[in-house]
Amino acid sequence: GAVVSQHPSWVICKSGTSVKIECRSLDFQATTMFWYRQFPKQSLMLMATSNEGSKATYEQGVEKDKFLINHASLTLSTLTVTSAHPEDSSFYICSARDRQLNTEAFFGQGTRLTVV
Amino acid sequence: DAKTTQPPSMDCAEGRAANLPCNHSTISGNEYVYWYRQIHSQGPQYIIHGLKNNETNEMASLIITEDRKSSTLILPHATLRDTAVYYCIVRVWGNQGGKLIFGQGTELSVKP
Repeated sequence: GAVVSQHPSWVICKSGTSVKIECRSLDFQATTMFWYRQFPKQSLMLMATSNEGSKATYEQGVEKDKFLINHASLTLSTLTVTSAHPEDSSFYICSARDRQLNTEAFFGQGTRLTVV
Repeated sequence: DAKTTQPPSMDCAEGRAANLPCNHSTISGNEYVYWYRQIHSQGPQYIIHGLKNNETNEMASLIITEDRKSSTLILPHATLRDTAVYYCIVRVWGNQGGKLIFGQGTELSVKP
């Protein structure tokens, strides 16, 4: 299947700093990518839909100024957690769908963020 | 997209078939049933999807009832590596803007 890669796999940052997470579709182009967050023992929660060349669409309750999303190309979307706090510590996962094949979504391996 | 209901957990003996049920009684005519699984601390992995006919691939089989209100994912010969949380999701096919909304899933434990 198609490959979606996230970087970094894990990151530890100090409270108040910003962290950028990258999501790349390695062998296909993705017009739309999705960002999820997952807390321990819980399911994935959709945060936002990232659209290439336009503004992201955020789910209700997700602060757009805190979670900045940029989808600058058909193979790259980034999520920046600004002014991170310990409560932002979570597992962040992206997914992408091949715009040509319009197939099922493929997921990255996730990024474990720990804010200390 | 329609909601789904799954049992929170199930056990299965290694080598036996694992049958994971999913209820989606409010599914509409143009919604497909998707199954994903998530092994601990990894991103979800696509397994299979279908509309109304039964489907089979190298990983699993998907049985959808005639009224489409429920389905069963079958892992024919479960191994310890199949231990994961399995998610049943319904969504409209071909919708580029369509998002996958995850429920709580079923935590499958395959035991020796």
